[in-house]
Amino acid sequence: AQSVTQPDIHITVSEGASLELRCNYSYGATPYLFWYVQSPGQGLQLLLKYFSGDTLVQGIKGFEAEFKRSQSSFNLRKPSVHWSDAAEYFCAVGDVSGNTPLVFGKGTRLSVIA
Amino acid sequence: DVKVTQSSRYLVKRTGEKVFLECVQDMDHENMFWYRQDPGLGLRLIYFSYDVKMKEKGDIPEGYSVSREKKERFSLILESASTNQTSMYLCASSPFIDTQYFGPGTRLTVL
Repeated sequence: AQSVTQPDIHITVSEGASLELRCNYSYGATPYLFWYVQSPGQGLQLLLKYFSGDTLVQGIKGFEAEFKRSQSSFNLRKPSVHWSDAAEYFCAVGDVSGNTPLVFGKGTRLSVIA
Repeated sequence: DVKVTQSSRYLVKRTGEKVFLECVQDMDHENMFWYRQDPGLGLRLIYFSYDVKMKEKGDIPEGYSVSREKKERFSLILESASTNQTSMYLCASSPFIDTQYFGPGTRLTVL
């Protein structure tokens, strides 16, 4: 069965600092991988996704993520965080073999301080 | 742009009431999903549907049912609301094996 682990429940960074949010997955084959962001009281918005090809994927709002098969990871990065990036971030894995729902991690809450 | 709408942003109901949460998508997606989100527990899948009149149980279906009579609409029903069903409810839709698109959520309070 697929699973996703986001080891950090809460991260605080200073505005302008770099950011890396960790995501590890468990899946038998090459997975589909996603990062979503959720602002307070809102639904989830897709930041980026990896299906195949280049392992470094670019997303919206200046985010990128790198798929590392050897580490079963799909970490999200941003070189310079803005106060508006404060939100909850969810990593998810999809099953390429069939029509099953995405499996989500429990999320990482990002706080940004001045 | 894909649009997923949910009938209410905020809802307050009394224990024992029957509650309907409606979700509509405008992109002709085959798949639709209902999740609940609680602090520290992340998103938990309640039910999903691959097609009209089809439904599959997710991880926490107890106390809920669903209806999908039309492709664009997926309803979540709480037959007899209880206080432990106070939560944020999120609907999503997707084409086959692809990105799930989420609605804005319904924050349900059961008193």
